[in-house]
Amino acid sequence: EPEVTQTPSHQVTQMGQEVILRCVPISNHLYFYWYRQILGQKVEFLVSFYNNEISEKSEIFDDQFSVERPDGSNFTLKIRSTKLEDSAMYFCASTERTGGKTEAFFGQGTRLTVV
Amino acid sequence: SQQGEEDPQALSIQEGENATMNCSYKTSINNLQWYRQNSGRGLVHLILIRSNEREKHSGRLRVTLDTSKKSSSLLITASRAADTASYFCATDQYGNKLVFGAGTILRVKS
Repeated sequence: EPEVTQTPSHQVTQMGQEVILRCVPISNHLYFYWYRQILGQKVEFLVSFYNNEISEKSEIFDDQFSVERPDGSNFTLKIRSTKLEDSAMYFCASTERTGGKTEAFFGQGTRLTVV
Repeated sequence: SQQGEEDPQALSIQEGENATMNCSYKTSINNLQWYRQNSGRGLVHLILIRSNEREKHSGRLRVTLDTSKKSSSLLITASRAADTASYFCATDQYGNKLVFGAGTILRVKS
């Protein structure tokens, strides 16, 4: 069964460093998303991406964050100058969003720890 | 305002019992989806119910949707210890994102 894959599963970084979280969405999906979940809290939307551009972003997704689809398969989230409060689980998701198929399929997540 | 609020926050039941979790939301929706999350793991899609549907079944899962009350319920019948997880509802509000609730932590004791 096709699945969304994320790498790495766990990343530890020093405060102020840049990190890139990687995702491979399901191949025939058209919409891509990043969400995050701070430990013990709800899952929060960060950004959606369609047709090679951001279609919506939340207040959390400030200039520190950027997304890119560098090739036909990868979808990345870059966090510049990480802060302690960026520590969270980051989830990538994708959907077909055509023909009414809007189920979002999530990857296993990348646990980011900023120290 | 917060959307997709679940209750109860935590639920502990015996194996074999049914578990019911509720979700409320505040705006119009395209559909509502339920997800499961094992501790520290990813989100697994369980079931989607569209705004024009009232009830949907999938195996031991039954989901209802009442758009007049802006609420949904997830029923897990004949629960098993392996059902122990957090369960989240998420609303698709005709936008480009899902809005998640805070989740219900379900513990099934064997």
